[in-house]
Amino acid sequence: DTAVSQTPKYLVTQMGNDKSIKCEQNLGHDTMYWYKQDSKKFLKIMFSYNNKELIINETVPNRFSPKSPDKAHLNLHINSLELGDSAVYFCASSQSADEGNTIYFGEGSWLTVV
Amino acid sequence: GENVEQHPSTLSVQEGDSAVIKCTYSDSASNYFPWYKQELGKRPQLIIDIRSNVGEKKDQRIAVTLNKTAKHFSLHITETQPEDSAVYFCAAPARGSGSARQLTFGSGTQLTVLP
Repeated sequence: DTAVSQTPKYLVTQMGNDKSIKCEQNLGHDTMYWYKQDSKKFLKIMFSYNNKELIINETVPNRFSPKSPDKAHLNLHINSLELGDSAVYFCASSQSADEGNTIYFGEGSWLTVV
Repeated sequence: GENVEQHPSTLSVQEGDSAVIKCTYSDSASNYFPWYKQELGKRPQLIIDIRSNVGEKKDQRIAVTLNKTAKHFSLHITETQPEDSAVYFCAAPARGSGSARQLTFGSGTQLTVLP
């Protein structure tokens, strides 16, 4: 009955590789997000999709490409991984893109680039 | 983009004492202020929120106050317990690098409740 689920939970990979993280929500929400949390615990939004349409695209390298096949799924593909990409990536969702909605986070994907 | 500033970055209190965490925001149009708790190795989860039409909201041992004039809001935890130890994030809507408004998180406060 997990509300926002993402896979994999842990990922260790070498520099230069390409990897994907998948996310699914079963809450019937319209809006999904990707957040990055670095070693200092800062939570930064990367992307937001509303009904499969990209609505927020923060200053993120082009190596990061989100894809939303439907409003229940938002995947994140990362090309040419760099050491600085090591972080926890949280998928999240909310009822709508209105700013007063609760954001529900997935359990996080721990990415380590070596 | 606009900022949400949070203080202190770390806070240690004795069990049973109160803890207060403060945040300031810059966008006067903001009207929704949630607080999230993140336990070690877990996801951030909403614990309480407040909207701009009220000045204070309580839920058992936690309360949030809002001062719209001064653009700051605070989280108050009374009778702290060891299980309150976590990182707490405030958040407020703000304009990012584009034109869309989004929930922007403060830098987090590591609260440690000492037994």
